[in-house]
Amino acid sequence: ETGVTQTPRHLVMGMTNKKSLKCEQHLGHNAMYWYKQSAKKPLELMFVYSLEERVENNSVPSRFSPECPNSSHLFLHLHTLQPEDSALYLCASSQDHGAGGGGTQYFGPGTRLLVL
Amino acid sequence: GQQLNQSPQSMFIQEGEDVSMNCTSSSIFNTWLWYKQDPGEGPVLLIALYKAGELTSNGRLTAQFGITRKDSFLNISASIPSDVGIYFCAGQGGTSYGKLTFGQGTILTVHP
Repeated sequence: ETGVTQTPRHLVMGMTNKKSLKCEQHLGHNAMYWYKQSAKKPLELMFVYSLEERVENNSVPSRFSPECPNSSHLFLHLHTLQPEDSALYLCASSQDHGAGGGGTQYFGPGTRLLVL
Repeated sequence: GQQLNQSPQSMFIQEGEDVSMNCTSSSIFNTWLWYKQDPGEGPVLLIALYKAGELTSNGRLTAQFGITRKDSFLNISASIPSDVGIYFCAGQGGTSYGKLTFGQGTILTVHP
């Protein structure tokens, strides 16, 4: 596997379900990101992990819970979602340079989520 | 917060034509990036610009980082059907991690 992979690629869930999205990066990067992409809206940054610490939580509802067990893996745990949460969820990774700034982000293929 | 205005929102062109799209910002960015997204896939990086005034090419694509650091453009020359997709600009500010602000995207349709 190369680059950034995401599973599952498609997910349909009911509002009472609990599910998790998984992201894995094979680029040796030290920062990982979750984005939400809804129709006709710019990509919305949800969470950022740098060196396995969460450095940004962009006012995301608590029904989304991220987890970063190591620098190569990132999860997004979903619980009691709403239909408006249906979207493409994208994971990205980059190489943080500390005070030198962030590196270029590389994206995974996304998970298409439908909440019924 | 930072906002990016990307235009045009959509373009319908004939194969062989040149394409130009741009992004403007109310804030200064240190890096400008251009991505392309195909249906059902994640954005793929096309060009990265790191210095004001920088002009960079990648095949038929050319992008420039504006002198004011508040704008960037992307040109595609001699378009082909596989250029179809959504093109996003993204600006990266001065945070120590690579937080990006994205434009709304330009939907490109190329007619054979």
